[in-house]
Formats: sequence, structure tokens, C-alpha cells
Amino acid sequence: DVKVTQSSRYLVKRTGEKVFLECVQDMDHENMFWYRQDPGLGLRLIYFSYDVKMKEKGDIPEGYSVSREKKERFSLILESASTNQTSMYLCASSLRGGRFHEQYFGPGTRLTVT
Amino acid sequence: AQSVTQPDIHITVSEGASLELRCNYSYGATPYLFWYVQSPGQGLQLLLKYFSGDTLVQGIKGFEAEFKRSQSSFNLRKPSVHWSDAAEYFCAVGSGGGNKLTFGTGTQLKVEL
Repeated sequence: DVKVTQSSRYLVKRTGEKVFLECVQDMDHENMFWYRQDPGLGLRLIYFSYDVKMKEKGDIPEGYSVSREKKERFSLILESASTNQTSMYLCASSLRGGRFHEQYFGPGTRLTVT
Repeated sequence: AQSVTQPDIHITVSEGASLELRCNYSYGATPYLFWYVQSPGQGLQLLLKYFSGDTLVQGIKGFEAEFKRSQSSFNLRKPSVHWSDAAEYFCAVGSGGGNKLTFGTGTQLKVEL
């Protein structure tokens, strides 16, 4: 089974702090994704990566950056956390190439910025 | 750009009753379509997917969905709902570039005993 793990289930940070959310997958997937989930808005793509050191902006990249130094790990960085970044963050991974491949999700990190 | 509409924010059904969750999509080409379920406090689990071929797709946990191109719909159905089906359900459409998904806003299902 594909396993996607996220470093924390719950996180509380103060405004202005630098925040790192870590995601690791164990199935050698090329693609990795970071989403933000808010009530009534569904999941919105923040960034995705299709290879090591490669990244592309999603629909809502403002206020976020990402890092992918190793194939299995994809980090989401909030350079200066703000209260409007309080949300559930979901990481996902998928194979790349050929037909479309389904995404596999981690359990999520619920971030509260105070 | 593709989009997904789930017109029902909340649905309540009695245990044992049938269920249909609606999903309409907008996409120029043949879509890749997915239904995911999210139990409270959990990540998303894939219920089923449509890529091509038979328009009636079977998934896990007794769910099925029917792709109707003429109506741009991919509705999720279950003949008899169980209390454990209470969760949030997301429909998504995939685009070929980068395997990206566009999600609907979700439907929260409540099951009355």
C-alpha cells in the first residue's frame, strides 16, 4: 500500500513564525502535491512538484514556498505565518507519465496560527 | 480551465436508504473523474475513478458512479447506506498536465440511525 505521512497532525504557531510542514511518501512517486482544505472551499492546490528540485505553482501559492531535495520528501514552508493561513494542509503523491494516475493522500496537518 | 460543482453541501439520509451525490464537471476533453471520501480527522481515500470505457464504475465500500457525458455529470450512488458512511465526499476532475486534480467543494453526508 502507498503510504503518505505528514510530520504533524496538529500544529499551533504564532503570527510571523516560519513554519515547515513535511510530507514523506514511500512508493517512489514522481509527483507530490500540497493542498489547503477550508470549509466550503474544498481542496485548493498550493504547489506541486514533478521531480526533485522541480516545482510549479498551483492555484493559491501566495505566502507559501516549497522544497523538494529528495524524491520521497516534499516540504511546505510558510515564511511568515499569518492567521489567514490557519487551515488543514494535505499532502498527496502520484506516479507520473503514461496515463493519468490517481493521487494518494496523507492524513493532513491542522495548522492554527494565533 | 476545468471546474467541478457539487451542488449539495449537506445531505442527510436514514441508514438503509439509497444515496446519490451529485457532481457536475466542466472540461474540454475526455475527463478523468474521481470520487474521494474523507472521514472526520482523516486524509482522503479514493472511492472510485473513471478513465474510459464502461460508464458505470464500481468502487470500494459498495459505491458506484455513472459517467454521463451528455450531462457532464459523474454522480455517486450507493443502494443502502451504513452509519459508517457518514463523511465528506469530494468529486474531482483530472487534467493531463502534471496529473493535477481540481476538486469540488464537497458534500457532507450525515446518516440518521
